[in-house]
Amino acid sequence: GAGVSQSPSNKVTEKGKDVELRCDPISGHTALYWYRQSLGQGLEFLIYFQGNSAPDKSGLPSDRFSAERTGGSVSTLTIQRTQQEDSAVYLCASSPNTDTQYFGPGTRLTVL
Amino acid sequence: KQEVTQIPAALSVPEGENLVLNCSFTDSAIYNLQWFRQDPGKGLTSLLLIQSSQREQTSGRLNASLDKSSGRSTLYIAASQPGDSATYLCAVSSGYSTLTFGKGTMLLVSP
Repeated sequence: GAGVSQSPSNKVTEKGKDVELRCDPISGHTALYWYRQSLGQGLEFLIYFQGNSAPDKSGLPSDRFSAERTGGSVSTLTIQRTQQEDSAVYLCASSPNTDTQYFGPGTRLTVL
Repeated sequence: KQEVTQIPAALSVPEGENLVLNCSFTDSAIYNLQWFRQDPGKGLTSLLLIQSSQREQTSGRLNASLDKSSGRSTLYIAASQPGDSATYLCAVSSGYSTLTFGKGTMLLVSP
């Protein structure tokens, strides 16, 4: 079956611009996660959605970062006024339970 | 705050060797531990998941062990193949499934 998909696969933007990254989870998965993988760093948790509960935003690095999940399915991660340190691979994962997470291929963001 | 460390950061071996990747974590109050594989430009693939009550899990040539009290896990790869070349990531779950990752071990298996 279809896995987690993310778009775009690559995004190059200028400093100060806003960007939107999209994640389509596996159908039926109630949990959705966003992570960031910076060069030389491990994966960093950003935000977690579970069903209709309020999201856990504890990993968002600044108020320039926000995320939404519409209808319990597709999620959008928005970064406002991008900075060069935002350059990273942004990974989305979904899960049907509290165990295995299934990851998408990621979006590589480059801020010039 | 949970911290996960992986040793070595990189490893290069000839085909056929058995090898061990190490993972340590600072807070033993974990829910489970997972080993992932990441190929360049691709997402993560889950290899093995060990619940906190378990000691090891096996899948094919892979065996992962967990010693929760000492905060350590090892991933054993038997009879390595060039196709095993990838970055291996260890991650622990300490609650409602949010994962804390190590920085990974980059493995290169040469033919």
